[in-house]
Amino acid sequence: QVQLVQSGAEVKKPGASVKVSCKASGYTFTSYYMHWVRQAPGQGLEWMGIINPSGGSTSYAQKFQGRVTMTRDTSTSTVYMELSSLRSEDTAVYYCARDFSSASMDVWGKGTTVTVSS
Amino acid sequence: DIVMTQTPLSSPVTLGQPASISCRSSQSLVHSDGNTYLSWLQQRPGQPPRLLIYKISNRFSGVPDRFSGSGAGTDFTLKISRVEAEDVGVYYCMQATQFPWTFGQGTKVEIK
Repeated sequence: QVQLVQSGAEVKKPGASVKVSCKASGYTFTSYYMHWVRQAPGQGLEWMGIINPSGGSTSYAQKFQGRVTMTRDTSTSTVYMELSSLRSEDTAVYYCARDFSSASMDVWGKGTTVTVSS
Repeated sequence: DIVMTQTPLSSPVTLGQPASISCRSSQSLVHSDGNTYLSWLQQRPGQPPRLLIYKISNRFSGVPDRFSGSGAGTDFTLKISRVEAEDVGVYYCMQATQFPWTFGQGTKVEIK
């Protein structure tokens, strides 16, 4: 079955970087774009950006430009999201989600909790 | 960025009764290709979001027919015809017409 398996929880200090992985299975990895969405504790959903696993092209929300890098490894069907210069406000659950016809997201990972604390 | 505004933010509902959530966008969601990329997602407690409705009114695979979406332009509605216990959670509208994709604040549906 189609699934996205994300890496485990992370605890980071302010100013550090975090790299979250999302391994896809059950479908052709390069045929579907992948999104990253985050959710701060008790808050709503925030779209961070999108990557084309085929060519590697990306588009990021302006808010994260310069701090976020999305990459992919086609040999392992894995996408990565790296966020640098972490601050406490980056404490959140980070989700990868498969694009659905450029209209929404149809498959979601279970989320990776990133805690930023000194 | 397109701002998505949902009302109400909380909706206590009696089991078996209908529920309705409104979503308004700060600008038209009609894309240059003629489609309107407004979707609804459900997030049950402790779970990732789940796609319910896409392009205003299309139910995603496996979604019960008690969920329906309607609207046009800047005003959209999600209706649950008869709320069941498993419908408890937070519902988000989301626009995918323009980058960055943006979400409404979420509407919490709970049982009275």
